[in-house]
Amino acid sequence: AQTVTQSQPEMSVQEAETVTLSCTYDTSESDYYLFWYKQPPSRQMILVIRQEAYKQQNATENRFSVNFQKAAKSFSLKISDSQLGDAAMYFCAYRSYVTTSGTYKYIFGTGTRLKVLA
Amino acid sequence: GAGVSQTPSNKVTEKGKYVELRCDPISGHTALYWYRQSLGQGPEFLIYFQGTGAADDSGLPNDRFFAVRPEGSVSTLKIQRTERGDSAVYLCASSTPGTSGYNEQFFGPGTRLTVL
Repeated sequence: AQTVTQSQPEMSVQEAETVTLSCTYDTSESDYYLFWYKQPPSRQMILVIRQEAYKQQNATENRFSVNFQKAAKSFSLKISDSQLGDAAMYFCAYRSYVTTSGTYKYIFGTGTRLKVLA
Repeated sequence: GAGVSQTPSNKVTEKGKYVELRCDPISGHTALYWYRQSLGQGPEFLIYFQGTGAADDSGLPNDRFFAVRPEGSVSTLKIQRTERGDSAVYLCASSTPGTSGYNEQFFGPGTRLTVL
C-alpha cells in the first residue's frame, strides 16, 4: 500500500526567506500524481502545486517549487520569499488510479505546520 | 455558489446520537469524496462517489457510517450511534471525472464534529 511521510511536524521561517518542507512516499506504481496542499485555520484545503510522476521537470508555481526525486521517492516543497500569508498546515498527498474500481485514491501525510516570523 | 459548501460548519452532539453532514459540490462535478481529518492528522479517505453511486467505500470505518448522493449532486454523510472517537473534521471534495490526465479536487471548509 502507498504511504506518505512528512517528518517535520513544524517549521519556522523568517519573512522573505526560503523554507523547504520534506515529503517522502512509498509506492510500487510508476504512474501517479503528487500534490502539496495548504490548509489555513479556515480548514479549507487549497492546492499549492502538483507533479506528474512521468515528468522529470520539477513543477513551479510562482514562489512555490518542488524537488521531485522519483528514484528516492522524495517530493519536497520550497517556498521562496516567504510571506505572512503562507503560514498554514501543509500536506503532501499522493494520488493513484485504482483500475479495479475506476477511482482515484488520495493518501495524505500528517502535515507540517509552517510558521512565518515577521 | 462557486465553491464546495458544507453544512453545518460545526456540530456538537452527544454520544449515541445520530448526525447528518451535508456536502454541496461544485455544479457539474460528478466526482465527490468524503474525508475525515482527526486532530494532528492529514485527511483520511472515507468514500468516493461517481454520480449517484459509491464507487469506493473502502474507507468507511464501520457500519455506523453511511453516505448517500441520491441525485448525483448533494451528498450526506450519516453517522449512527456516534462515539467520542468520531470527533473530527469531515471534509468533502469534488472534481470533474476522468480516467486520464489531471482533475483537481476542490475542497469544502469541512464540518467539525464534536461528540461529547
